[in-house]
Amino acid sequence: GENVEQHPSTLSVQEGDSAVIKCTYSDSASNYFPWYKQELGKGPQLIIDIRSNVGEKKDQRIAVTLNKTAKHFSLHITETQPEDSAVYFCAGGDSNYQLIWGAGTKLIIKP
Amino acid sequence: GAGVSQSPSNKVTEKGKDVELRCDPISGHTALYWYRQSLGQGLEFLIYFQGNSAPDKSGLPSDRFSAERTGGSVSTLTIQRTQQEDSAVYLCASSLAAGAYPLNEKLFFGSGTQLSVL
Repeated sequence: GENVEQHPSTLSVQEGDSAVIKCTYSDSASNYFPWYKQELGKGPQLIIDIRSNVGEKKDQRIAVTLNKTAKHFSLHITETQPEDSAVYFCAGGDSNYQLIWGAGTKLIIKP
Repeated sequence: GAGVSQSPSNKVTEKGKDVELRCDPISGHTALYWYRQSLGQGLEFLIYFQGNSAPDKSGLPSDRFSAERTGGSVSTLTIQRTQQEDSAVYLCASSLAAGAYPLNEKLFFGSGTQLSVL
């Protein structure tokens, strides 16, 4: 079955710098890769997703890149702000089975 | 309601007791999920309801766990004879599931129920 690994588990960056979180997956059939942001005491919220027919997707300061050959995808946050501090989860799946989730990355934005 | 509502937000129980957790999804969302999140861990899938189809129970960790979804709306997750290892945040999510790939759509999560088993 699918396995999704996420790195790093904790990431600390200076405000204004960029942050990159990486995930790898094992099932080459996976074709849907969302990223969720979870703030303290709340449920996760979708921030961006990508399907396997594209290599990159961008939404303002957030972008996701997908390398199908290497089976990894990454979340890029530019010009980080204090409100970006949260736990970020990646996930992978296809239309036939439930999403498999990474273990999460705690992102800390230092003022 | 405006979002997915879960109750209670916190539940403390004694080992061996039964608990019921409630989820009220977004109106019109046909898909409903239950997940478990242990401290510092990712999301563990428990069960999935989609319309009138038989639920996908493949994630339930033991027969002490069960869930119902009445009338295609509100869902209840029941844990019988709770154990300390059941302590976690239980998250409910719903989605519209109107497209060709209902498992690959945006999930809307509630704030969860923090379950503590003493």
